[in-house]
Amino acid sequence: AQSVSQHNHHVILSEAASLELGCNYSYGGTVNLFWYVQYPGQHLQLLLKYFSGDPLVKGIKGFEAEFIKSKFSFNLRKPSVQWSDTAEYFCAVMGYGNNRLAFGKGNQVVVIP
Amino acid sequence: GAGVSQTPSNKVTEKGKYVELRCDPISGHTALYWYRQSLGQGPEFLIYFQGTGAADDSGLPNDRFFAVRPEGSVSTLKIQRTERGDSAVYLCASSLTFNGGGTDTQYFGPGTRLTVL
Repeated sequence: AQSVSQHNHHVILSEAASLELGCNYSYGGTVNLFWYVQYPGQHLQLLLKYFSGDPLVKGIKGFEAEFIKSKFSFNLRKPSVQWSDTAEYFCAVMGYGNNRLAFGKGNQVVVIP
Repeated sequence: GAGVSQTPSNKVTEKGKYVELRCDPISGHTALYWYRQSLGQGPEFLIYFQGTGAADDSGLPNDRFFAVRPEGSVSTLKIQRTERGDSAVYLCASSLTFNGGGTDTQYFGPGTRLTVL
């Protein structure tokens, strides 16, 4: 079964600081990887995804993530955060051949103006 | 429609009662998913449909939970004899197709917050 670990569930940082959220997954085969974001009062939306090819993927709002197969990781980064990045971020994995997303517990990120 | 819609947005019920939660997927999407999100946790997979049939119901916790999608569009999640532990946000998602490679993005609705007293 696929599973995801996210650490540092609560992150507080100032505007213009850099953000990195860790994501490690467990699965014995090929995977598709996702980061979803939930802004306050809104529903989950896709931030970025990795299926194949270049392991560095770029998403919306200046976010990027790097797939490191040897480390089973898919960390999310943003060089300079804004107050509007305050949200909960979820990493998810989908084993190739099934359509089930397995989510981590999420990171609650608060950006202080 | 513009996005996935779910009704009701909130449901409060008493232990032992029966509830139905509805999901209306994005128009034209053939795949539909149900997830459950408990407090402080990420969403947890319950079931997904390709068309009218349940392609994978391995996430349903027990036989009190059942879901249907009779015409391949709207889906209803049904919970019998509700328990306090069923309290959670129930999320629905849809994707354009059923894709064994998992490349189709799942678009989520706003969820139904179920509270069992």
